[in-house]
Amino acid sequence: TQLLEQSPQFLSIQEGENLTVYCNSSSVFSSLQWYRQEPGEGPVLLVTVVTGGEVKKLKRLTFQFGDARKDSSLHITAAQPGDTGLYLCAGPENTGNQFYFGTGTSLTVIP
Amino acid sequence: NAGVTQTPKFRVLKTGQSMTLLCAQDMNHEYMYWYRQDPGMGLRLIHYSVGEGTTAKGEVPDGYNVSRLKKQNFLLGLESAAPSQTSVYFCASSYRDSLNSPLHFGNGTRLTVT
Repeated sequence: TQLLEQSPQFLSIQEGENLTVYCNSSSVFSSLQWYRQEPGEGPVLLVTVVTGGEVKKLKRLTFQFGDARKDSSLHITAAQPGDTGLYLCAGPENTGNQFYFGTGTSLTVIP
Repeated sequence: NAGVTQTPKFRVLKTGQSMTLLCAQDMNHEYMYWYRQDPGMGLRLIHYSVGEGTTAKGEVPDGYNVSRLKKQNFLLGLESAAPSQTSVYFCASSYRDSLNSPLHFGNGTRLTVT
């Protein structure tokens, strides 16, 4: 059972386009994190969202945590080839001792 | 800073062979984790440790064992490898509970079991 479902699984877009990826769950999470993973490397944290309805911006990336804290979205404006990678959302288990990861969205930005 | 270092980077095993993956972190982190990553499955937690001398099972612990004899090292063992264990294995560490600090990942070990 996958607690966190991400969509789409694959996304290929042209440079300059906008895109949104989604992370959904039927469970409530106290926080959600977003990571980006490049080929041959481990995931690297982009942002943590903690409050329901919270919006965080990281340059051209905008992250939102759903009001009910069951979902999150990542919006990229004017995508660049350097944005190519696997985007993973993750949420903590109740005790905070472990994280559940989503299935991932593989993004390719074509120059 | 080295961060989280995993060895080896690649390994090929035959069914039934054993091996140990080593993870070392130099950030004085309390928590350490072993994940496996398979296509379409995201990252799944195998085992984790909240401190030296302690370990606990994650989502997919069967067929694996771990040890945390020193705070900076977390070992993952496969006693009798099976083709289903072909995967990319990632070690991660965090300062305290993962709720308040990010996971720092190594660059992975690609394991193939034939």
